[in-house]
Amino acid sequence: EPEVTQTPSHQVTQMGQEVILRCVPISNHLYFYWYRQILGQKVEFLVSFYNNEISEKSEIFDDQFSVERPDGSNFTLKIRSTKLEDSAMYFCASNPRVAGEDNEQFFGPGTRLTVL
Amino acid sequence: AQSVTQLDSHVSVSEGTPVLLRCNYSSSYSPSLFWYVQHPNKGLQLLLKYTSAATLVKGINGFEAEFKKSETSFHLTKPSAHMSDAAEYFCVVRYTGTASKLTFGTGTRLQVTL
Repeated sequence: EPEVTQTPSHQVTQMGQEVILRCVPISNHLYFYWYRQILGQKVEFLVSFYNNEISEKSEIFDDQFSVERPDGSNFTLKIRSTKLEDSAMYFCASNPRVAGEDNEQFFGPGTRLTVL
Repeated sequence: AQSVTQLDSHVSVSEGTPVLLRCNYSSSYSPSLFWYVQHPNKGLQLLLKYTSAATLVKGINGFEAEFKKSETSFHLTKPSAHMSDAAEYFCVVRYTGTASKLTFGTGTRLQVTL
């Protein structure tokens, strides 16, 4: 069964460093998402992406964050200068379309980011 | 503000007994509601979804949920718990007007004991 994959499973970085989290969505899906979950808190929406541009983003997704689909299969989240409070589990998700009944988002296993 | 509340952070049941995980959402026109499950070191897996069809929704692994508009609830149930049901469960809502954003509850950790 097709699934969303994410690499690495765990990333440790120093404060101020750039990190890139990678995701491979399901191959025929068109909509892509990043969510994060700070330890002990809710899963929070960060950004959605369609047709090579951001379609929606949350207040969390400030200028330090960017997303890209560089090669038609990978979907990346970049954090330019990490802060301690960026430590969280980051989930990637995809779905074939947004509207209509079939709007289930398929999630990856997550990348745990630890900022020291 | 749009929100979803899971009333219990942790639920413990004995194997073979019923499971009830509670969820309430803030009222909105035609929300879509979901339950996702997360097993350790795994991604979030969809259990079931409500999208304005039948109010009683059946999902995978014997789970079901009932949409009650008058109570703004979408509680998850299962008649008989199995050890493999031990996981974190998330109630999730997608509101009309937000094209893609999912709003998550805080999660309920289900423990199943022998």
